[in-house]
Amino acid sequence: DAGITQSPRHKVTETGTPVTLRCHQTENHRYMYWYRQDPGHGLRLIHYSYGVKDTDKGEVSDGYSVSRSKTEDFLLTLESATSSQTSVYFCAISLAGGYNEQFFGPGTRLTVL
Amino acid sequence: QKEVEQNSGPLSVPEGAIASLNCTYSDRGSQSFFWYRQYSGKSPELIMSIYSNGDKEDGRFTAQLNKASQYVSLLIRDSQPSDSATYLCAVTLRRSGYSTLTFGKGTMLLVSP
Repeated sequence: DAGITQSPRHKVTETGTPVTLRCHQTENHRYMYWYRQDPGHGLRLIHYSYGVKDTDKGEVSDGYSVSRSKTEDFLLTLESATSSQTSVYFCAISLAGGYNEQFFGPGTRLTVL
Repeated sequence: QKEVEQNSGPLSVPEGAIASLNCTYSDRGSQSFFWYRQYSGKSPELIMSIYSNGDKEDGRFTAQLNKASQYVSLLIRDSQPSDSATYLCAVTLRRSGYSTLTFGKGTMLLVSP
């Protein structure tokens, strides 16, 4: 998994609770991404980061926030989880943005009851 | 028109045959093109990248890019049952400043023994 870990790997939570997912990389790649994957929708970009403290929104950013205080860590927070946020979340890293390959972490399966 | 389109499949081929997977994209200014393989319950794994028109071969895999026609394809020669997976096409789009990838929804490939 190219030196990428995600935690937790599985989580069940209740509607309205805050949830934070962590992505950690040991590759020193500049770009980091958060995706969600749902049947019928494929992989959709939530947020991405192009450096420490530099982030931008993706296609489906509503209800999510991110933070990157260190090169190696990229956090995704669901401020108040909803059932529509039940999904598999993948983190990815890239050395130089869209020109270069992205490598994916193992994923986090999140269930919001 | 969707930005990156793939036939959802499933594409069924017998063992030993050539599997042909196709992808079309809407942005003529797209620069980078990638194929990922995703086994059920696993994260996407990069198998091919291609940046210029023509063919690129890597073992049993060949990626073909035709920018004028805006399509990219993946050929898998001597298909094996272990190739059964969903194949994702990903493209960097000009509208994103080439910072992010846009994924198709994937084509499921089934290789029968």
